[in-house]
Amino acid sequence: DAGITQSPRHKVTETGTPVTLRCHQTENHRYMYWYRQDPGHGLRLIHYSYGVKDTDKGEVSDGYSVSRSKTEDFLLTLESATSSQTSVYFCAISDGGKSNQPQHFGDGTRLSIL
Amino acid sequence: GQNIDQPTEMTATEGAIVQINCTYQTSGFNGLFWYQQHAGEAPTFLSYNVLDGLEEKGRFSSFLSRSKGYSYLLLKELQMKDSASYLCAVRGSGGYQKVTFGIGTKLQVIP
Repeated sequence: DAGITQSPRHKVTETGTPVTLRCHQTENHRYMYWYRQDPGHGLRLIHYSYGVKDTDKGEVSDGYSVSRSKTEDFLLTLESATSSQTSVYFCAISDGGKSNQPQHFGDGTRLSIL
Repeated sequence: GQNIDQPTEMTATEGAIVQINCTYQTSGFNGLFWYQQHAGEAPTFLSYNVLDGLEEKGRFSSFLSRSKGYSYLLLKELQMKDSASYLCAVRGSGGYQKVTFGIGTKLQVIP
């Protein structure tokens, strides 16, 4: 299994509070991604990173920010959480050295915003 | 943009063969992936197709027709543990290894 650790695995918080999710990899892969998965929508890309301090927006980036100060860590921040951000969040990594390299996923973070 | 369609749910019998279809419309094409996701777990990689034809990997095979924007995942000798969602994902021409995922097909294997 790819060495990907997401923390926390579960979190319950209140509307308006800041939340930070962490993704840590031990594979030294260049690319890292944050997705959310909701019923009826599948996996949707929030933000991704193509190197240290190099990040870009995905299709559902509003309300989220990211940072990558080290190769191994990719942080997702909800500055002021809303109930619509209740979801399961997955981090993924890929090497990108060859076109057939798949993304490998962490175990997910289940976030509930009350 | 990219659009990916898959059936929402399917049911099949243990020991049988099932085919899960995926159609896509993309601006550029750089490969198609299939993932398996058991309930409450992370998606895991199954197969990759970039050229037309069939790729076989044990009980699982994946087919691609680029001209038709069509792929299928074939599961043979179904087992109860194959009950899961199967996600079709397409890499377009946007670069940076980005892929777009379909909603997924929830497969239930019954005795």
